[in-house]
Amino acid sequence: SQTIHQWPATLVQPVGSPLSLECTVEGTSNPNLYWYRQAAGRGLQLLFYSVGIGQISSEVPQNLSASRPQDRQFILSSKKLLLSDSGFYLCAWGGRTGRPLAKNIQYFGAGTRLSVL
Amino acid sequence: AQSVTQPDIHITVSEGASLELRCNYSYGATPYLFWYVQSPGQGLQLLLKYFSGDTLVQGIKGFEAEFKRSQSSFNLRKPSVHWSDAAEYFCAVGWISSGSARQLTFGSGTQLTVLP
Repeated sequence: SQTIHQWPATLVQPVGSPLSLECTVEGTSNPNLYWYRQAAGRGLQLLFYSVGIGQISSEVPQNLSASRPQDRQFILSSKKLLLSDSGFYLCAWGGRTGRPLAKNIQYFGAGTRLSVL
Repeated sequence: AQSVTQPDIHITVSEGASLELRCNYSYGATPYLFWYVQSPGQGLQLLLKYFSGDTLVQGIKGFEAEFKRSQSSFNLRKPSVHWSDAAEYFCAVGWISSGSARQLTFGSGTQLTVLP
């Protein structure tokens, strides 16, 4: 079965420090991968998505970047964190095979709570 | 452009009472529709999904949702709520971007509180 892992679960970082959040997927090949940010009471905001190794699309211009060095690995980074980067970060994957409805489902990791102080 | 509206930010119900969470969407084509649930500090779990066929779909944990094209709605229901249903619920519409990437647009969520 497929599983998705995110780490760390929680992170407290000072303003101006770098960031690296990692997401890995097991049990599937060539997935679509997504990074979302969730602010309190504001739903999910898509930050980046990737349809393949080295292919990154950014939805919102910001202080963050993403990379996909391997098929099932998706990394969210920042060189210098801002206070406004605080939030709950969720990674998700979606399959590419099967029926159309199945290909539109996304499966989420447990998330990383980032506090920038 | 696609959008999802969940008009109720917070709903409180008593345990054993029925529940309906509202969701309205805007999308130019036949939508893929989803309901996800999120417990505090956790990721999102898929409750149910719809694309075509029977407009009443059954999901996990006793939830169901009805697609009404004329009202652009996909409301979530449960006949009898359990205390463990307390969580935040998100409605989402699935679509395909210009680059053929499959995406979800989420509503802002409805927080459900269950009273004993």
